Amino acid sequence: KNEVEQSPQNLTAQEGEFITINCSYSVGISALHWLQQHPGGGIVSLFMLSSGKKKHGRLIATINIQEKHSSLHITASHPRDSAVYICAVDQGGSEKLVFGKGTKLTVNP
Amino acid sequence: DTGVSQDPRHKITKRGQNVTFRCDPISEHNRLYWYRQTLGQGPEFLTYFQNEAQLEKSRLLSDRFSAERPKGSFSTLEIQRTEQGDSAMYLCASSLQGYEQFFGPGTRLTVL
Repeated sequence: KNEVEQSPQNLTAQEGEFITINCSYSVGISALHWLQQHPGGGIVSLFMLSSGKKKHGRLIATINIQEKHSSLHITASHPRDSAVYICAVDQGGSEKLVFGKGTKLTVNP
Repeated sequence: DTGVSQDPRHKITKRGQNVTFRCDPISEHNRLYWYRQTLGQGPEFLTYFQNEAQLEKSRLLSDRFSAERPKGSFSTLEIQRTEQGDSAMYLCASSLQGYEQFFGPGTRLTVL
């Protein structure tokens, strides 16, 4: 079993829909990261959080430390949100990231 | 553009050849990480540097792999005697301790 599990693996939505991507982890962490990867490989950090909730534009990330679970929400989804969204955790120390397999999101116009 | 650059962006090589990749991190970042990503998978940790010191290496990093970060600036990752299983995207990231990592665009390696 992977240390970081994401669901769903693939997600197709219509423009304007509310999107939720889930992440569960099995290890103690220092921080959880949500990342976005576009075709071609480039990875962009969306959020780094260790408790509570963060919001940036239409994106919201929440984490429940006790349940070892995090969610990434996208409100009013748009085709440009189409990408792979990756959850990763770090356990402090080296802060090396342990990644989930990613969720491929496709938003249709 | 995250401020982290990698060179080359693509590399095609024949099995048995040596290859070297370069990563230029954000200049004030003291930590530099190398990850490897195969198709359909999330990235996996390879190694990391704090300044010029290589402090941790993954078991994924066989003896054919070596990484350096001279003077705590740019880093190189060399793969000797490449194998087809080395085909992957090699990602570099840099950070300040305690803060988010910034990723480069990656080097896609294809071993024929």
